[in-house]
Amino acid sequence: QKEVEQNSGPLSVPEGAIASLNCTYSDRVSQSFFWYRQYSGKSPELIMSIYSNGDKEDGRFTAQLNKASQYVSLLIRDSQPSDSATYLCAVNLGNNFNKFYFGSGTKLNVKP
Amino acid sequence: DVKVTQSSRYLVKRTGEKVFLECVQDMDHENMFWYRQDPGLGLRLIYFSYDVKMKEKGDIPEGYSVSREKKERFSLILESASTNQTSMYLCASSSVGQGVPGELFFGEGSRLTVL
Repeated sequence: QKEVEQNSGPLSVPEGAIASLNCTYSDRVSQSFFWYRQYSGKSPELIMSIYSNGDKEDGRFTAQLNKASQYVSLLIRDSQPSDSATYLCAVNLGNNFNKFYFGSGTKLNVKP
Repeated sequence: DVKVTQSSRYLVKRTGEKVFLECVQDMDHENMFWYRQDPGLGLRLIYFSYDVKMKEKGDIPEGYSVSREKKERFSLILESASTNQTSMYLCASSSVGQGVPGELFFGEGSRLTVL
C-alpha cells in the first residue's frame, strides 16, 4: 500500500464550479499535510499546508483535514482555467521533518 | 523570493556515463533534497542533506550518490547511468521549521534521458 493515495484523474469541472481533490494516507502518525500545484512541464509549488483537524481557507482554496479518517482534501472554489494543473498531496510523518511522502497527483481540467 | 536553480534543464546521456546534476539555492536553507518524478509514481526521495557534508538516503538511493560541500549547493551523481534512470529530477530546499516541517521550494527540474 502506498503511503499517500490520490485519484489520478483527470478531474474535469466547468469554469466557476467547485473542484474537490482528495487524498488518503496510511500512517496514523502523520502530522503535517501539504498541497502542491504543478503545471505541465513546471516544478511543484506550495498552495496550502494544514496541521490540525478542520478547515483552513486561503482565498479560493480550502484544505480540509480529518486525521481520524486519514483523509485530506483540497477544495477550489470558482475554478478558473488557470487552475488546470496536477495537484500533489504531500504528507510529513512528524518524526522526521525531512521525510515527505508525495501522492502521484490528480490532474484537474477546468473547462471554459 | 527563494530561488532554487538546477544547472541543466535537459540532458541526454549514454548508458554507463557519469552524470552530474547540480542544484544551488540562495535562501540559506539548511535542508536540500533530490527527488525523481515518474508518471504514476509521484515524487520519490533519492537523498537529502541537512547540513554541509551531511547526507541521508531517501527511498531510492541505489545508483546515486550526492555531495554537499557548500551550504548552497547540492549535487546528484549518477556513477554509471542506466536507462531506468531516465526521469525528471527535482531539487528542493527547505528551512528548518519551528516545530513544523518547512515548505519545500523546488527547482525547475532536470529531464534526463539515458540512451
